[in-house]
Amino acid sequence: DAKTTQPNSMESNEEEPVHLPCNHSTISGTDYIHWYRQLPSQGPEYVIHGLTSNVNNRMASLAIAEDRKSSTLILHRATLRDAAVYYCILRARETSGSRLTFGEGTQLTVNP
Amino acid sequence: DAGVIQSPRHEVTEMGQEVTLRCKPISGHDYLFWYRQTMMRGLELLIYFNNNVPIDDSGMPEDRFSAKMPNASFSTLKIQPSEPRDSAVYFCASTLMANTGELFFGEGSRLTVL
Repeated sequence: DAKTTQPNSMESNEEEPVHLPCNHSTISGTDYIHWYRQLPSQGPEYVIHGLTSNVNNRMASLAIAEDRKSSTLILHRATLRDAAVYYCILRARETSGSRLTFGEGTQLTVNP
Repeated sequence: DAGVIQSPRHEVTEMGQEVTLRCKPISGHDYLFWYRQTMMRGLELLIYFNNNVPIDDSGMPEDRFSAKMPNASFSTLKIQPSEPRDSAVYFCASTLMANTGELFFGEGSRLTVL
């Protein structure tokens, strides 16, 4: 699996936007970019994924660089409940059944 | 839907004892994954099944670990004999082949081996 690089930690204030970066310079043309998050004492939770185009859903937006070597997860208005570890993961398209390899992720702290 | 259900949520046992962790995937899902999470190693994939058949068990640490999926609605992860270094949170996850990315995780089983 291609490697991703994320900052170890980030801080944000409540109700402000948060931009979580991820570098994946060795991404291949068929790798999907996935984001998961893990709240304290819970299992990981799917956030969003994309291939080439920017993606939006009810939880977040995913902005993918034109060369696909980096991406940014955008939380439009952070809440205290968004405090979690956020994982950026690459998944090869041919990988069966969403086999995912998790890195260390970014610990997001949201200040009231 | 109830989601992925794991049991027990917490288990404390003594070294040398057998431990069995259980998982009920989401109905209709055809892939099931077992992950282990520790502070030192993060989230590691241990084994995964497709249609109840083990596909890749290369992440299973050693012969003390075994996993089975006797039917589409039940899987077990067994450790025999258990050791203190097996202490971790064990997660089960499931998904559907046609699904392009979303793995559904259970709440985990926290194992402490004394």
